[in-house]
Amino acid sequence: NAGVTQTPKFRVLKTGQSMTLLCAQDMNHEYMYWYRQDPGMGLRLIHYSVGEGTTAKGEVPDGYNVSRLKKQNFLLGLESAAPSQTSVYFCASGLGSYEQYFGPGTRLTVT
Amino acid sequence: AQKITQTQPGMFVQEKEAVTLDCTYDTSDPSYGLFWYKQPSSGEMIFLIYQGSYDQQNATEGRYSLNFQKARKSANLVISASQLGDSAMYFCAMREGDTDKLIFGTGTRLQVFP
Repeated sequence: NAGVTQTPKFRVLKTGQSMTLLCAQDMNHEYMYWYRQDPGMGLRLIHYSVGEGTTAKGEVPDGYNVSRLKKQNFLLGLESAAPSQTSVYFCASGLGSYEQYFGPGTRLTVT
Repeated sequence: AQKITQTQPGMFVQEKEAVTLDCTYDTSDPSYGLFWYKQPSSGEMIFLIYQGSYDQQNATEGRYSLNFQKARKSANLVISASQLGDSAMYFCAMREGDTDKLIFGTGTRLQVFP
């Protein structure tokens, strides 16, 4: 099992460009999450999904959109990237109440 | 108000010694869960240990134990017999009620020296 994988691992964008981060899990988990990690601030929840076809806002959703068309995939989109979105992005999946399994992260820089 | 507070930005411990990483939390929900994750320099988040608010005993997982003091709202992580490979960032997190969301603290950087 690959667990949780994220594509790409690194990306540099110019302000105003768009991109999509892909998260895939092979553990048949219902729940999937997108977090961002900034220095000194821990992880903050952007959006999450409790099942295929559902999404919900987390703590810092502005500037991001998500989609969960297939159970195993959770996509995070940036329509018009801003320097404030420079961060490390983590995807996670889980069964709900217990631990979440994290992907390796995507380092995004917006110039 | 901070939901999860980790007051130690950095900690040092000598190899083979025990170390306690502090975590306090704030919630009015009687049902919650507390988690500790390790993030080595490679960046991945590794689940270490979980404590439910109704669990009668403190959680233990190998060299990790969670010192759960409900009245004080603290959930400190104790690492016994520290190893050089324990050097990493450690994050405390909480899930409230029946939500599926984790709230993370700002982390503590642990450095183990020989």
